[in-house]
Amino acid sequence: EAGVTQSPRYAVLQEGQAVSFWCDPISGHDTLYWYQQPRDQGPQLLVYFRDEAVIDNSQLPSDRFSAVRPKGTNSTLKIQSAKQGDTATYLCASSFWTVSSERLFFGHGTKLSVL
Amino acid sequence: GDSVTQTEGLVTVTEGLPVKLNCTYQTTYLTIAFFWYVQYLNEAPQVLLKSSTDNKRTEHQGFHATLHKSSSSFHLQKSSAQLSDSALYYCALTYAQGLTFGLGTRVSVFP
Repeated sequence: EAGVTQSPRYAVLQEGQAVSFWCDPISGHDTLYWYQQPRDQGPQLLVYFRDEAVIDNSQLPSDRFSAVRPKGTNSTLKIQSAKQGDTATYLCASSFWTVSSERLFFGHGTKLSVL
Repeated sequence: GDSVTQTEGLVTVTEGLPVKLNCTYQTTYLTIAFFWYVQYLNEAPQVLLKSSTDNKRTEHQGFHATLHKSSSSFHLQKSSAQLSDSALYYCALTYAQGLTFGLGTRVSVFP
């Protein structure tokens, strides 16, 4: 079974540039998450979807970040005008929706450096 | 909101000796599940242990943890550390969807 696939693996930008990250979740998983993991910190939830609907995007810096999952499968996270503080690894994860417990399957992440 | 506290940023241990990673939490929800995730260098985080039952020991790959709701803790232990255990370890909890992670503990095992 294929895991969660993310691309690109690495991105290096100048401040002010835009970048998009792509995620292909495990087939059949209805829930998809984007996490930001700064260096030497734990992952922090940015946004998550069930099918194509955004369930929670309260931690997404809405002025520069956007995320879509138009067909309820693949997803794209975009940073419109990157800042040095955005330097982090961006992790995508997927799962089946359950009420009592949650096991997430993570992709390898995209490591972003903003110079 | 929920929070997870891991008090050690770095734990160094000699191969063959025991290792313990601390995890405490705060949550207002009753139905919750707890996880330990491990992240090896340049790899994605992956589940190591999971528990949602109070006072029940959970084991996997030589690691064990027991959820103690009375003390809001879910410490991770191993009786004999191996070189291959060197990694980042995250304690996390969930009550519905998504995970709240602690800051993580880096474990370095030396020969």
